[in-house]
Amino acid sequence: QKEVEQNSGPLSVPEGAIASLNCTYSDRGSQSFFWYRQYSGKSPELIMFIYSNGDKEDGRFTAQLNKASQYVSLLIRDSQPSDSATYLCAAHNYGQNFVFGPGTRLSVLP
Amino acid sequence: DAGITQSPRYKITETGRQVTLMCHQTWSHSYMFWYRQDLGHGLRLIYYSAAADITDKGEVPDGYVVSRSKTENFPLTLESATRSQTSVYFCASSPGKETQYFGPGTRLLVL
Repeated sequence: QKEVEQNSGPLSVPEGAIASLNCTYSDRGSQSFFWYRQYSGKSPELIMFIYSNGDKEDGRFTAQLNKASQYVSLLIRDSQPSDSATYLCAAHNYGQNFVFGPGTRLSVLP
Repeated sequence: DAGITQSPRYKITETGRQVTLMCHQTWSHSYMFWYRQDLGHGLRLIYYSAAADITDKGEVPDGYVVSRSKTENFPLTLESATRSQTSVYFCASSPGKETQYFGPGTRLLVL
C-alpha cells in the first residue's frame, strides 16, 4: 500500500515565524510532489509542486525534496493568520494516481 | 464562468436511494477524478477518467458508478447509498494527470 504520511497537527506558530510542514512517502517510484492548501469547508488549492531534489521557492513558500530520504517539506516564511489551513501533501508516480497524505493543520497565532 | 463546478453542493438522502453527483469543467482537461474526503483518511480516489468513454477504478470504487460521455462532464452515481458513503466528494480535473484542480465539493449525508 503506497502511503504518504503527515503529522496531523495542529502545528501552531506565531505570526511572522517560519512554519515547517513535513511529509514522507513510501513509494520510491514517486516522481512529483504537490502541496495543497485547504481552508475549512473549502476545496484543496494547489500551492506548488516539485520534481527535483533540492529547494523550490515561490514567494513566501519553499518546497524541499529529498528523494533519498523520501521526504518532502513546505516552509512558509513570515506566516500570516490567513495561512491557517490544512496542508495536504501528495505524491505522484507517473502512470499511477496521486496519493494524498491526511494533511497537517496549521494555526498561525496573531 | 470557466472552471470546475459540482452540483449539488449539499445533499441529504436515505439509505438505499440512488444519488448522482455532477461535475462539469470548462477547461477541456483530459483527466477527471472523483475523490472522497473523510476525517482521518484524507483524500481517497474513487474513480478517474483519462478521456471521454475511458474510466478506471481508484482506491475505493465499491458502491460507485461513473460515466464520461462528454469530455466536460463526469457524473458519479451511488447506486444504493449507504451510511458509510456519507462524506465530502471532490471532483478534480487535470490536463495531463498532474496538477489537479479541484471543484468546490459536495457534502453528502446518508441517513
